[in-house]
Amino acid sequence: AQTVTQSQPEMSVQEAETVTLSCTYDTSESDYYLFWYKQPPSRQMILVIRQEAYKQQNATENRFSVNFQKAAKSFSLKISDSQLGDAAMYFCAYRSAGLASGTYKYIFGTGTRLKVLA
Amino acid sequence: KAGVTQTPRYLIKTRGQQVTLSCSPISGHRSVSWYQQTPGQGLQFLFEYFSETQRNKGNFPGRFSGRQFSNSRSEMNVSTLELGDSALYLCASSPGPSSSGNTIYFGEGSWLTVV
Repeated sequence: AQTVTQSQPEMSVQEAETVTLSCTYDTSESDYYLFWYKQPPSRQMILVIRQEAYKQQNATENRFSVNFQKAAKSFSLKISDSQLGDAAMYFCAYRSAGLASGTYKYIFGTGTRLKVLA
Repeated sequence: KAGVTQTPRYLIKTRGQQVTLSCSPISGHRSVSWYQQTPGQGLQFLFEYFSETQRNKGNFPGRFSGRQFSNSRSEMNVSTLELGDSALYLCASSPGPSSSGNTIYFGEGSWLTVV
C-alpha cells in the first residue's frame, strides 16, 4: 500500500526568506502524481503545485517549486520569498495513475504547519 | 465558474442520530470524492464516485455511505453517529478518474460535531 510521510509537524520561516517542506512516499508503482495542497485557517484546501512522476523536470509555480527525486521517493516543496499569506497547513499527496492498481484515490500526508514570522 | 459547494457548513448532532452531507461539484466535473479530516487521523479517504458508481472506498465502517446522482451531485450519510465521527468532512471534485492525473478541487467542508 502507498504511504506518504511528512516528518515536520511544524516549520517557521522569516518573511521574505526561503523554506523547504519535506515529503517522502512509498509506492511500488512507476506512474503516479504528486501534489502539494495548502490549507489556510479557512480550511479550504488549495492546490499549490503538482508533479507527474514521468517528468524529470521539477514543477514550478511562481514562488513555489519542488525537488522531485523519484529514486529516493522524495518530493519536497520550496517556498521562496515567503509571505505572511503563506502561513497555512501544507499537505503532500500521492495519487496513483491507476493503470496497475485500478484505483485513483489520493493519499495525504499528516501535514506541516508553516508559520511565517514578520 | 462556481467552486465545489458543500452543505451544510456546520452542524451538531447527537450520538445515535444520522446525518447527510451534500456536495455539488464544479460544473462539468463527474468525479466526487469525500475525505474525513480530524486532528488525530489527518485526512482520510472515504470514497469516490464517478458516473453514479462508487469506484473506491476507504477503510471506514459501513455506517459511512454515499451516493452520486445523475447531475454528479453527491451525498454522504453517516448513521448511528459516534463521538469520534466529529470531524471536518471535505468533498472534492475532478473532471474524471482518468489517467491524466486530474487535480481534485476541494470544497470548504462540512463541520460535524457529535455530542
